[in-house]
Amino acid sequence: AQSVTQLDSQVPVFEEAPVELRCNYSSSVSVYLFWYVQYPNQGLQLLLKYLSGSTLVKGINGFEAEFNKSQTSFHLRKPSVHISDTAEYFCAVSSGTYKYIFGTGTRLKVLA
Amino acid sequence: EAQVTQNPRYLITVTGKKLTVTCSQNMNHEYMSWYRQDPGLGLRQIYYSMNVEVTDKGDVPEGYKVSRKEKRNFPLILESPSPNQTSLYFCASSLLAGQAIYGYTFGSGTRLTVV
Repeated sequence: AQSVTQLDSQVPVFEEAPVELRCNYSSSVSVYLFWYVQYPNQGLQLLLKYLSGSTLVKGINGFEAEFNKSQTSFHLRKPSVHISDTAEYFCAVSSGTYKYIFGTGTRLKVLA
Repeated sequence: EAQVTQNPRYLITVTGKKLTVTCSQNMNHEYMSWYRQDPGLGLRQIYYSMNVEVTDKGDVPEGYKVSRKEKRNFPLILESPSPNQTSLYFCASSLLAGQAIYGYTFGSGTRLTVV
């Protein structure tokens, strides 16, 4: 069975500092991996996705993530955050059979 | 503009009064899905559809119905709403890569309150 674990429920970080949001998954088959962002009172928006090829994936708003098959991780990073990055971030995995599993989310709070 | 449109955005209803939340997408996506989002519980899938006339249960289907008569529309029906169905609901659609979801486009959400 697939599962997704987001290790941190909340991450506070100062503006212009780097940030890493952690995501680990378990699956016995090949997976597609995703990160979404949810701003207050809005739906989720796709940030980036790994389908195949290069393990370093670049997304919107300056975010990037690296697929690490040996560690079954897909951590999200940004070198310098802004106040506007304050939101909830969800990791997700798809591995066929029409199943799509979301993690429980990480609230990123950017402090001035 | 490529989008998923949900209506209504906000709905307050009484226990037992049937309601429908509509969802429509303009991207010709095969796959559509309904989720509910509750504090501390994350996103939980209610129902999904892989194509017209093909639907299946997600993780929390009790108390809900869906239909997929046309590719673009995927309404969520609550035949007899109860207070425990008070939640934030999202519709989402995606292309399929085989049986894998290619990446969702989400609607803006429907905040439902059942009193």
